[in-house]
Amino acid sequence: QSALTQPASVSGSPGQSITISCTGTSSDVGKYNLVSWYQQHPGKAPKLVIYEVSQRPSGISSRFSASKSDNTASLTISGLQSEDEAEYFCCSYAGSTTLFGGGTKVTVL
Amino acid sequence: QVQLQESGPGLVKPSGTLSLTCAVSGGSISSNNWWGWVRQPPGKGLEFIGEIYHSLSPNYSPSLKSRVTISVDRSKNEFSLKLTSVTAADTAVYYCVRVISYGRFFDYWGQGTPVTVSS
Repeated sequence: QSALTQPASVSGSPGQSITISCTGTSSDVGKYNLVSWYQQHPGKAPKLVIYEVSQRPSGISSRFSASKSDNTASLTISGLQSEDEAEYFCCSYAGSTTLFGGGTKVTVL
Repeated sequence: QVQLQESGPGLVKPSGTLSLTCAVSGGSISSNNWWGWVRQPPGKGLEFIGEIYHSLSPNYSPSLKSRVTISVDRSKNEFSLKLTSVTAADTAVYYCVRVISYGRFFDYWGQGTPVTVSS
């Protein structure tokens, strides 16, 4: 199986909303409602921000939301803040394994 | 609060075996969770390596399956990773993770340990 496809970078001004896409196939993203998203600041371990397509863990801001349509999942960050500048990875169960996206660098202008 | 801490050599020779251990604190490794490993080559994305449940056979990434072994030591509340026949392509930061089995996501991560494959 191949990695999931994410844009390399997305940018936005403070207060704006941005959306990161994550494209898979009918064998992973399209088949299972088991998509998760992780935020990673430089030199730090990834942190779970979304699980099961659209669920937020305790302590994660409501500015983070996510959805899925067919083979593409999306993460939206609204009211962009400086601390949101980080790399974001999507992840999907794929039956026999788990796949990650290549990562999207979010820049706050 | 579950905490995970990786340990092991930071340098491994080509064709050798990479061995890492993850100590689990704040929870039991025999709880109803899977435990796994994820790696990140320098400047690149994340890669799932494999996972284990204390009483079941482990699951491995198809691309690494022939070289990977993940095991659990319940007496020490830790789990381990062995990767054989390593090459420079195995150079990465290795993270141990707790896997929530019903949702297939990773809710706790270790801080990560860098491993370099070089002679």
